[in-house]
Amino acid sequence: GQSLEQPSEVTAVEGAIVQINCTYQTSGFYGLSWYQQHDGGAPTFLSYNALDGLEETGRFSSFLSRSDSYGYLLLQELQMKDSASYFCAPNSGGYQKVTFGTGTKLQVIP
Amino acid sequence: DTEVTQTPKHLVMGMTNKKSLKCEQHMGHRAMYWYKQKAKKPPELMFVYSYEKLSINESVPSRFSPECPNSSLLNLHLHALQPEDSALYLCASSQDGGGTNEKLFFGSGTQLSVL
Repeated sequence: GQSLEQPSEVTAVEGAIVQINCTYQTSGFYGLSWYQQHDGGAPTFLSYNALDGLEETGRFSSFLSRSDSYGYLLLQELQMKDSASYFCAPNSGGYQKVTFGTGTKLQVIP
Repeated sequence: DTEVTQTPKHLVMGMTNKKSLKCEQHMGHRAMYWYKQKAKKPPELMFVYSYEKLSINESVPSRFSPECPNSSLLNLHLHALQPEDSALYLCASSQDGGGTNEKLFFGSGTQLSVL
């Protein structure tokens, strides 16, 4: 079977840094993606880790530890527009099987 | 063109109706996906097509029937749906380049209501 865990909600102040964690249990793991989804919108790709370590893309960074089955998304210099749901999504069971975690709803407050 | 286009954006159908959802991409991607998303829940994988062949079916009921006429088009045929099938149906595509297909591009979805 497969399990994915993320915190359900996180609140952070504009300009601050927030970390969203993801733990997973899955067979045939290939890598971990992160997606952002605003209310009423479609998911959009943020980041992907195939190897252990940190990947940085602008204000967003993502980390993966394959030995710990753990990853996180780090958002810096938070802006109001970052208020959205964030999903970790392991690629497992072959490259095409991309399943989504439970999601973390981030609320950025002034 | 980095868009995935889905039509219609909204669909209301009765339980005896037959309807189809359409998805199109012109990015040259060879993998295409259908996801179902209920309110406040994550997208759930339904089907994956790779090089126009069905590669993954996540035990979806037969009242949902996918079709991939060519590498740019993906359809989802709906028949005899139940009210609990009401959801946002999302189409996505990826390059499917042996390790580079991890980035999914999503369409804006079809909001389906079954009465």
